[in-house]
Amino acid sequence: DTEVTQTPKHLVMGMTNKKSLKCEQHMGHRAMYWYKQKAKKPPELMFVYSYEKLSINESVPSRFSPECPNSSLLNLHLHALQPEDSALYLCASSLVADPSYNEQFFGPGTRLTVL
Amino acid sequence: AQSVTQLGSHVSVSEGALVLLRCNYSSSVPPYLFWYVQYPNQGLQLLLKYTSAATLVKGINGFEAEFKKSETSFHLTKPSAHMSDAAEYFCAVTTRAGTASKLTFGTGTRLQVTL
Repeated sequence: DTEVTQTPKHLVMGMTNKKSLKCEQHMGHRAMYWYKQKAKKPPELMFVYSYEKLSINESVPSRFSPECPNSSLLNLHLHALQPEDSALYLCASSLVADPSYNEQFFGPGTRLTVL
Repeated sequence: AQSVTQLGSHVSVSEGALVLLRCNYSSSVPPYLFWYVQYPNQGLQLLLKYTSAATLVKGINGFEAEFKKSETSFHLTKPSAHMSDAAEYFCAVTTRAGTASKLTFGTGTRLQVTL
């Protein structure tokens, strides 16, 4: 299994809602990532988990809360989002977070719309 | 900090023509470089990677890239374009960040293939 799966594919939420994005991989990878991608822009890194511990937080607002319950699963909890947070949210994984093994496998993304 | 620059946000070629997408890197140490492709409404797929083993790297779908240290370049080529190659292409570099590493993308090049 060389796949990263993400659910849901699409999500529409109001600014007062609480929702979660889910990402799963069964490749035995120990590094997982969340990216945000706005239209016609490159992905921007949000968080990196290495061995289930948060290693990098790219100064992301606290309304985004990541969680890594185990080595296969990565969640992104959303609360009190703003319309400008509407974007494609991509999850990725790699064998480990070391640069020499940083070939990242991406999921299809969750298209988030905040009303 | 390591970064990549993609020259040309939009490239148009005829079917069967040579594809050349440009990427220059900025790095004080040997970089780990990648090319990813993104089809509309999908995640990113790895085309190829440079990890210092060989300067000419062959990837999937007939793409290849040559690492040229003297020119700090890692341009992506394909001898003969196919309609199915129309997509967004991102060059990326791995940067160490503490005990982890992160992938930094160029701004992307949209490839259009015409009949």
